[in-house]
Amino acid sequence: SQTIHQWPATLVQPVGSPLSLECTVEGTSNPNLYWYRQAAGRGLQLLFYSVGIGQISSEVPQNLSASRPQDRQFILSSKKLLLSDSGFYLCAWSVSSGLTDTQYFGPGTRLTVL
Amino acid sequence: GQQLNQSPQSMFIQEGEDVSMNCTSSSIFNTWLWYKQDPGEGPVLLIALYKAGELTSNGRLTAQFGITRKDSFLNISASIPSDVGIYFCAGRHLSRSQGNLIFGKGTKLSVKP
Repeated sequence: SQTIHQWPATLVQPVGSPLSLECTVEGTSNPNLYWYRQAAGRGLQLLFYSVGIGQISSEVPQNLSASRPQDRQFILSSKKLLLSDSGFYLCAWSVSSGLTDTQYFGPGTRLTVL
Repeated sequence: GQQLNQSPQSMFIQEGEDVSMNCTSSSIFNTWLWYKQDPGEGPVLLIALYKAGELTSNGRLTAQFGITRKDSFLNISASIPSDVGIYFCAGRHLSRSQGNLIFGKGTKLSVKP
């Protein structure tokens, strides 16, 4: 069966520091991968999605970037965090053919920028 | 851009009662999904709907893809305390690529034992 992991689970970072959040998926090949941000426990905003290694699409211009160095690894980064980057970050995956809209979410990373 | 209106925003019900929530869009959607999120965790998929008019059940949960393709509802029968959480609808507008979902703002469900 497929599983999705995110780490770290929680992170407290000062303004201006760099960020690296990691997401990995097991039990499937060539998944579509997604990064979302959720503010105040409501409403998920799609940040990035990827249909393959090195292929990244950005939904919202922002202070963040994403990379996919391996088939089942998706990384969210920032060079300098802002206070507004605080939130709950969720990674998700879906199959790459057929019913690709059904997404499965990881456990999330709670980021607090001070 | 496309938006989803999810209602109600919150519900306080007695254990054993039935629950109904819905999402509407101003434009046609190809897919409707319903998720449940517990505090501090990622959303968990409850039901996925891919065809207009489709009615699907998952235990005490039932969801339907509206005939007009602009709405969907989720019903929970005989609620229990573990139903507490935030329920999200999500959908894909026909102009967006597969997997590119829009999420409602959620319905927060509280159940009194």
